[in-house]
Amino acid sequence: QEKLVESGGGVVQPGKSLRLSCAASGFTFNNYDLHWVRQAPGRGLEWVAFVRNDGYWVQFTDSVKGRFTVSRDIYKNMVYLQLDSLRLEDTAVYYCARHREGGSLDYWGRGTLVTVSS
Amino acid sequence: YVLTQAPSVSVAPGKTAAINCAGDNIGSKRVHWYQQRPGQAPVLVIFDNYDRPSGIPERFSGSKSANTATLTIIRVEAGDEADYYCQVSDIGSDYCLFGGGTKLTVL
Repeated sequence: QEKLVESGGGVVQPGKSLRLSCAASGFTFNNYDLHWVRQAPGRGLEWVAFVRNDGYWVQFTDSVKGRFTVSRDIYKNMVYLQLDSLRLEDTAVYYCARHREGGSLDYWGRGTLVTVSS
Repeated sequence: YVLTQAPSVSVAPGKTAAINCAGDNIGSKRVHWYQQRPGQAPVLVIFDNYDRPSGIPERFSGSKSANTATLTIIRVEAGDEADYYCQVSDIGSDYCLFGGGTKLTVL
């Protein structure tokens, strides 16, 4: 059974860093691209980042470029989102989601909450 | 590129709900729909414009015209009350674009 589990969220001050993890299981990890999507409290879904199945191609939404990085460990079936220079507006639940051929996101984790607060 | 959804739609139980997603030339793109119940992660309910993942009831269907995509839910039930998001993609795209979401209220 396909499963994604995020972890690493917490409360952090502006300007600080945090690393989120996403553990994948139940499918052939190396065959799938993955995305990070976030949702601020009471707001809609916002795409954040993409990492190709081999980890060598990544993309980010403009508001996080230069501050966030994404990587994956193909041996541990893990994806990581490094959040640096955090801002108040980065406060959100961060979801890891599997990219299905055709562009939909067919499996999502439950998310991990990041709160940026002074 | 912007996807526009109405903030809210209300429907009585047993009736039909239509949730629209407007975008310039959306007819040329692949459209996907997600259901998000309060406090839960999004769930894919329609992919590639019209297809349903396994486990999604046949009451859910997708359609689209040149500039509007529609998620239709027939025989609406109380459990369908949720936020619904559209998303578009191009072949080989490495990003996602979501609509603002529509809150479906079952009266």
